Amino acid sequence: SQQGEEDPQALSIQEGENATMNCSYKTSINNLQWYRQNSGRGLVHLILIRSNEREKHSGRLRVTLDTSKKSSSLLITASRAADTASYFCATDGRGSTLGRLYFGRGTQLTVWP
Amino acid sequence: DGGITQSPKYLFRKEGQNVTLSCEQNLNHDAMYWYRQDPGQGLRLIYYSQIVNDFQKGDIAEGYSVSREKKESFPLTVTSAQKNPTAFYLCASSIVDMNTEAFFGQGTRLTVV
Repeated sequence: SQQGEEDPQALSIQEGENATMNCSYKTSINNLQWYRQNSGRGLVHLILIRSNEREKHSGRLRVTLDTSKKSSSLLITASRAADTASYFCATDGRGSTLGRLYFGRGTQLTVWP
Repeated sequence: DGGITQSPKYLFRKEGQNVTLSCEQNLNHDAMYWYRQDPGQGLRLIYYSQIVNDFQKGDIAEGYSVSREKKESFPLTVTSAQKNPTAFYLCASSIVDMNTEAFFGQGTRLTVV
């Protein structure tokens, strides 16, 4: 399977702390993306990192990509209760259908006020 | 407001019935996707379409059917052949390109009663 796998499955932290989630995948990719899902809602795109990039920032989000290890991490700094959600990584597959994404099972993040 | 709209939000089906989930987008995207999400699981691709009047099976197409008669619309029919249809269904759209993000609807929760 080309599916990414997030680690940990669940993460519980206090407001103000940093949250780090990891994603591993199996095949060569053109890009890796992170999405957020609030309970019972659709997914919202957070950030896309291309295979030739190593790090990308967006506000309080920092994403790294290590293609040699086929892994990525998502860091949320100074977390807030509103960051409570599930976070998914998604990969395309190099040579796969353009636009088709493969999702992991997600990390459930809980931020306590 | 540009976006992707799924309806209904909640749907109840009796065993043996077919039901159709609606997905409409006004983002002018060529590609549309249907995913299934089970509790604590990632997203699994049911069907996708990259152009009007054409669609492809995803990883779990059995018991489902789709049509793509208009660019804006990609309805999903859950047939009686789908043995375990209770799930959260997500529709998404994107442009057909490398390094492109997907835009998701808010989902339809289908329950078999």
